[in-house]
Amino acid sequence: QVQLQESGPGLVKPSETLSLTCSVSGGSISNFYWSWIRQPAGKGLEWIGRVSDSGMTNYKSNFNSSLRSRVTMSVDTSKNQVSLELASVTAADTAIYFCARGGQNNRASAFDHWGQGILVTVSS
Amino acid sequence: SYVLTQPPSVSVAPGQTATITCGAENIGRKSVHWYQQKPGQAPVLVVYDDDGRPSGIPERFSGSNSGNTATLTISRVEAGDEADYHCQVWDSNSDHVVFGGGTKLSVL
Repeated sequence: QVQLQESGPGLVKPSETLSLTCSVSGGSISNFYWSWIRQPAGKGLEWIGRVSDSGMTNYKSNFNSSLRSRVTMSVDTSKNQVSLELASVTAADTAIYFCARGGQNNRASAFDHWGQGILVTVSS
Repeated sequence: SYVLTQPPSVSVAPGQTATITCGAENIGRKSVHWYQQKPGQAPVLVVYDDDGRPSGIPERFSGSNSGNTATLTISRVEAGDEADYHCQVWDSNSDHVVFGGGTKLSVL
């Protein structure tokens, strides 16, 4: 049974860097895409980006989104972990952050396993 | 960017059928996935690739997708089905994952 577990600080100061880790157990991170998704309180799901088992990344980029320039994702296959760093955070980055497993070498596949999520609050 | 439109809320009586839509231009050409999310919990995949049902998901959950609308149908609705439902696709043009705004299903 594949399980995902997010970990990291629950409180980050404005302008600092949010750093989260997703530990995967019961299965390998190899051959899968891994995404980070966040959800502000009372709002919908927002895809932040994905990283492959080989470290290839794709981050969300929209006209009105500053995410792409602030996000870094990486994988550590030796530890079976996926990481997220979000720089220069503001209160708007306060949300529950989920890691999720995507397709096996298929970017169109559904997210079949999710972590429980971790609440990150940006506040001084 | 590709936008998925869901109704904010749907209400249904127990035992009836709930229909939740997800609209977008030519969504019928994409694979649509649906997630159920109960308060304080992570989303759970209930339908994948338009009409696939993961192991452990009741047959009451079904999906369809054609033209500009994808639909999640929940038959014989139970109180335990009350949750937020999110549709999701992969947009090949941007190589981005896109979620709908979510629909809150209320069981009267």
